[in-house]
Amino acid sequence: GAGVSQSPSNKVTEKGKDVELRCDPISGHTALYWYRQSLGQGLEFLIYFQGNSAPDKSGLPSDRFSAERTGGSVSTLTIQRTQQEDSAVYLCASSLRTSGTGQDEQYFGPGTRLTVT
Amino acid sequence: QQPVQSPQAVILREGEDAVINCSSSKALYSVHWYRQKHGEAPVFLMILLKGGEQKGHDKISASFNEKKQQSSLYLTASQLSYSGTYFCGTEGGGSQGNLIFGKGTKLSVKP
Repeated sequence: GAGVSQSPSNKVTEKGKDVELRCDPISGHTALYWYRQSLGQGLEFLIYFQGNSAPDKSGLPSDRFSAERTGGSVSTLTIQRTQQEDSAVYLCASSLRTSGTGQDEQYFGPGTRLTVT
Repeated sequence: QQPVQSPQAVILREGEDAVINCSSSKALYSVHWYRQKHGEAPVFLMILLKGGEQKGHDKISASFNEKKQQSSLYLTASQLSYSGTYFCGTEGGGSQGNLIFGKGTKLSVKP
């Protein structure tokens, strides 16, 4: 079946502009995660959705970052007034995890490479 | 807190063995291992739950010592396809938390 998809694959934007990144999880996966990966760095957790709600937003770096998920499926990560330090690969993952249980295997999308000039 | 991985990088010849360690300063519920090849998304390897279990698949295995709050990933008779960056992700107690990933260990296998 189809894996996790993300769009766009690459985005170049000017400093100060807003961007929207999209994630389509695997059908039936209830949990959805956003991570950020800077060049040569590990995976920085941003936010986690269980269904449409976000039990954990603790990783969002600032109030310029927001995310939503609708219909228990597609999620968008929005970055307002982008800064150069926002440049990174933004990865989305989904899993079968149900609320109240431990982590399950996460399936990652190919990522969106964001470059802020 | 972010788990600490060691070594940061390792270079092997095909057929050699390697061990990658992952340590945390807090009690762990589970440890997860992923491998990421250059320019690709991370791919799941295995999950280890508390209870000191060991798992293996093919020539890659791992152990989890919950008392020491650490996990080790063992790569035996390495193949060229093992090259990549290995990340451990740790989940804290209560099984409600999210994965916190280490900075990764870059493994290069040479012919």
